[in-house]
Amino acid sequence: DAKTTQPNSMESNEEEPVHLPCNHSTISGTDYIHWYRQLPSQGPEYVIHGLTSNVNNRMASLAIAEDRKSSTLILHRATLRDAAVYYCILRGRSYNTDKLIFGTGTRLQVFP
Amino acid sequence: EAGVVQSPRYKIIEKKQPVAFWCNPISGHNTLYWYRQNLGQGPELLIRYENEEAVDDSQLPKDRFSAERLKGVDSTLKIQPAELGDSAVYLCASSVQGDAEAFFGQGTRLTVV
Repeated sequence: DAKTTQPNSMESNEEEPVHLPCNHSTISGTDYIHWYRQLPSQGPEYVIHGLTSNVNNRMASLAIAEDRKSSTLILHRATLRDAAVYYCILRGRSYNTDKLIFGTGTRLQVFP
Repeated sequence: EAGVVQSPRYKIIEKKQPVAFWCNPISGHNTLYWYRQNLGQGPELLIRYENEEAVDDSQLPKDRFSAERLKGVDSTLKIQPAELGDSAVYLCASSVQGDAEAFFGQGTRLTVV
């Protein structure tokens, strides 16, 4: 299973943008890059995913490097409710590789 | 629409006792996952089902853990006998195979004493 590397923790002030990096140098050509987050005492929740192009949705933006060996999750204006552990995951598309393998993630603290 | 439902939410048992967790996935979701999450760690995949077939159970400790997904809908994860090290949160998730988003339940927190 292809692995990802993320910083253990990051901090931000409320209403500031946050850039959460992820390295995935062993990504295969068919792996999607997924981001999930986990709030305290909750199950993980989907944030965003992409393959090659940058992606935007109501929660965040995903910037993918041209060589696909790294990506960055962007929260445009952090709120206190964004304090969570953020996981960067590679998900295959074939029947045998379609699974979510979590690492240890990045714990984001947001200060008022 | 109801999300992924797990029960019980909490369970405390003595070591060597059996325990079972139940998961009801979102209707129409053919992929079902069971994860175990230890404190301070990311979720660890135990088993993945496509419909009623277990397609990836390489991380399931088969000497004491078992799982089933009858009729490709609800699923049960069992531990027998439980050990102290099994204390963790057990998470169930479901998705449409190949689809982007997996939905997680709130988990069952197991404490083995």
